Amino acid sequence: KNEVEQSPQNLTAQEGEFITINCSYSVGISALHWLQQHPGGGIVSLFMLSSGKKKHGRLIATINIQEKHSSLHITASHPRDSAVYICAVSNTDKLIFGTGTRLQVFP
Amino acid sequence: DSGVTQTPKHLITATGQRVTLRCSPRSGDLSVYWYQQSLDQGLQFLIQYYNGEERAKGNILERFSAQQFPDLHSELNLSSLELGDSALYFCASSAGPNSYNEQFFGPGTRLTVL
Repeated sequence: KNEVEQSPQNLTAQEGEFITINCSYSVGISALHWLQQHPGGGIVSLFMLSSGKKKHGRLIATINIQEKHSSLHITASHPRDSAVYICAVSNTDKLIFGTGTRLQVFP
Repeated sequence: DSGVTQTPKHLITATGQRVTLRCSPRSGDLSVYWYQQSLDQGLQFLIQYYNGEERAKGNILERFSAQQFPDLHSELNLSSLELGDSALYFCASSAGPNSYNEQFFGPGTRLTVL
């Protein structure tokens, strides 16, 4: 079993829909990161959080430390949100990555 | 643009060869991380340097080595290359030494071993 699990693996949506991507982990962490990987391969850090909730524009990330679970929400999704979203946890000195969620948003 | 640069963008080589990938961190960042992203394994942490010293080691093969130079740029050396080493190699940098510090990723080097 992977130490970081994401669901769903693939997600398609119509423009404007509300999107939720989930991440569960089984190890102790000091922080959880949400990353976005564009079709060209580049990786951008979206959020880093250790408790509660963070919001940036149309993106919201939450974490429940007790349940070892985090969610990434995208409100009013847009085709430019199409990308792979990767959850990663900081465990001791390293990041452990989930396998990613591929999101496609159609106009 | 993250401010992290990686060269080359693409590299095609043959089995048994040796290659060097280069990374320049964001100005002021002292940590450099190397990651491998392959189709079957996803993203995996290889190694981290902080201010010239090795700080953490992940799933890095013995055929691979890295170093960070006084000007803080880093090189990842891959030797005796195998077909399975074909992957995207990313470096990332951060200001602090801990994995929970925000990391900024370079554009990656795509390595193809034929």
